[in-house]
Amino acid sequence: DQQVKQNSPSLSVQEGRISILNCDYTNSMFDYFLWYKKYPAEGPTFLISISSIKDKNEDGRFTVFLNKSAKHLSLHIVPSQPGDSAVYFCAASARLYAGNMLTFGGGTRLMVKP
Amino acid sequence: DAGVIQSPRHEVTEMGQEVTLRCKPISGHNSLFWYRQTMMRGLELLIYFNNNVPIDDSGMPEDRFSAKMPNASFSTLKIQPSEPRDSAVYFCASSQDRSNEQFFGPGTRLTVL
Repeated sequence: DQQVKQNSPSLSVQEGRISILNCDYTNSMFDYFLWYKKYPAEGPTFLISISSIKDKNEDGRFTVFLNKSAKHLSLHIVPSQPGDSAVYFCAASARLYAGNMLTFGGGTRLMVKP
Repeated sequence: DAGVIQSPRHEVTEMGQEVTLRCKPISGHNSLFWYRQTMMRGLELLIYFNNNVPIDDSGMPEDRFSAKMPNASFSTLKIQPSEPRDSAVYFCASSQDRSNEQFFGPGTRLTVL
């Protein structure tokens, strides 16, 4: 049973527009969430994170929103750039119970068209 | 820092052969993770070490898979015997104890014919 789900396997967005990537989770013990970005032939790299005590975290063009009641988080990229084209993974951690283990979603491939 | 180092980057082998994947974590990191990425299942955690001790190996598919961490700077993931369904990209990641941010290596693409 997947505890972290990214229901959209792919997303296509025009350059300059907003990209919204979504992630849902089922485990109410998760208290820390991360987004990773992955280019082909490379390992995932950390992008942005959010603790469950917050509902928003912003870093430049990237903002993560957390809705705990809906067990849903989203990553907003604005404006989107062609270099943002990559696979984005959502990950969650139950720090109190599982230390620094992460559970990953299946990923969403973002394509930003010039 | 060189980051997490994995070798080989690519491995092609025949069914039944033994495969050994290697990982050198970032110096000072005391947690190490092995993941497998496939189209069907995304990124799956196989095993997690903390201070060289296996903490959670519930993701290891079956007895054909084994992992060791003899010291803080080296880990191996072994598949014996390998099967075509083991074909995937295997990632190693490391982190510090008090951080959830994991740093990934470039991965090993394994193809079992």
